[in-house]
Amino acid sequence: KAGVTQTPRYLIKTRGQQVTLSCSPISGHRSVSWYQQTPGQGLQFLFEYFSETQRNKGNFPGRFSGRQFSNSRSEMNVSTLELGDSALYLCASSLGLAGSFYEQYFGPGTRLTVT
Amino acid sequence: TQLLEQSPQFLSIQEGENLTVYCNSSSVFSSLQWYRQEPGEGPVLLVTVVTGGEVKKLKRLTFQFGDARKDSSLHITAAQPGDTGLYLCAGFKNNNDMRFGAGTRLTVKP
Repeated sequence: KAGVTQTPRYLIKTRGQQVTLSCSPISGHRSVSWYQQTPGQGLQFLFEYFSETQRNKGNFPGRFSGRQFSNSRSEMNVSTLELGDSALYLCASSLGLAGSFYEQYFGPGTRLTVT
Repeated sequence: TQLLEQSPQFLSIQEGENLTVYCNSSSVFSSLQWYRQEPGEGPVLLVTVVTGGEVKKLKRLTFQFGDARKDSSLHITAAQPGDTGLYLCAGFKNNNDMRFGAGTRLTVKP
């Protein structure tokens, strides 16, 4: 069974631009969660989608948004990029909502560098 | 301020040594998970502990959940270079509130 895939793997953007990251979950998984990982703050939860609906949201500004499609694939968008948005963005998929004792499977991440 | 404090932040040991890493909080968690993350990859779930005082063993790894469900430890016996990685704990405060610690970066030298 194929794992969680994320594209692109690496991305360099300049301040003020916007970026869209993509995540394809494991086949049959309906939940996709997004996380931001930085050396200083560690792994922080962005949001979770289940059946095309945002179910949970972390404490991030409105510049961070996402969506999920009917095939469970998800995209995350960051507008008006800031230097502090440089991070590894991870997505994770699971059969059910994270926290319902469904194991999350993480993708390899997209490393975003903002210059 | 991290809700989950992991210590130590960095640990470098020789192959064959034993080690313990900790995950502490002032909050109570309904369950707690440990993950290992290797460079260039996402975290991989190692274990979930649910009951206060619970001890789970996974080969050379022993996980313990504190009696009060506020802390956890991970003990590795006879560490091997393949154990090198970032060890993350994640706690569930309720069904939908999951928080990660910043991690312990372990290096096991041959």
